[in-house]
Amino acid sequence: DSGVTQTPKHLITATGQRVTLRCSPRSGDLSVYWYQQSLDQGLQFLIQYYNGEERAKGNILERFSAQQFPDLHSELNLSSLELGDSALYFCASSPWTGKRIFNYGYTFGSGTRLTVV
Amino acid sequence: GENVEQHPSTLSVQEGDSAVIKCTYSDSASNYFPWYKQELGKRPQLIIDIRSNVGEKKDQRIAVTLNKTAKHFSLHITETQPEDSAVYFCAASSGWGNKLVFGAGTILRVKS
Repeated sequence: DSGVTQTPKHLITATGQRVTLRCSPRSGDLSVYWYQQSLDQGLQFLIQYYNGEERAKGNILERFSAQQFPDLHSELNLSSLELGDSALYFCASSPWTGKRIFNYGYTFGSGTRLTVV
Repeated sequence: GENVEQHPSTLSVQEGDSAVIKCTYSDSASNYFPWYKQELGKRPQLIIDIRSNVGEKKDQRIAVTLNKTAKHFSLHITETQPEDSAVYFCAASSGWGNKLVFGAGTILRVKS
């Protein structure tokens, strides 16, 4: 157990539907990052939150949105789903404290495998 | 923005041999370079990292070297074992607390 919890582990849904993926970061980690990993592709950055605020956006589609709540858990909402959205979605957290001293590696959750049929 | 290129895309070695994976990055402000190992169907796991003020770091059979002038860094695995077979990703980050930009990954196969 990495300490980063993602639910659900698997999700099968139809095109046009909307789903919500949930992530609880490691205890004490303020930064949450979402990545998409499609077949034969690497890890594509979607969005980052730090202490409840959006900090950076990557190649996130307008159909996708996310938020981080006061208890630091985060949710990724995917709407109007298309076949091409089928992928493994990872959440990661980092112990970065906001200070310009060190960067830290992420700890990844086990991912949510989304299949759109 | 940052771009990370990783080579080779696949690497097959005999058990006991060494494996080297190389990455180049584009942003000269990058200051943090982690390596992740991802086994099939599992999450990426951090195996070693290096910061820009260090040229080399070693942890048992794995080591990472960084050449800031050339903007490249490499992962070295010695005495490879079948359990080293996995996909390895390099990554780079600039600034502070920023996203990691990942390379495309290297599939390492260790043949026994």
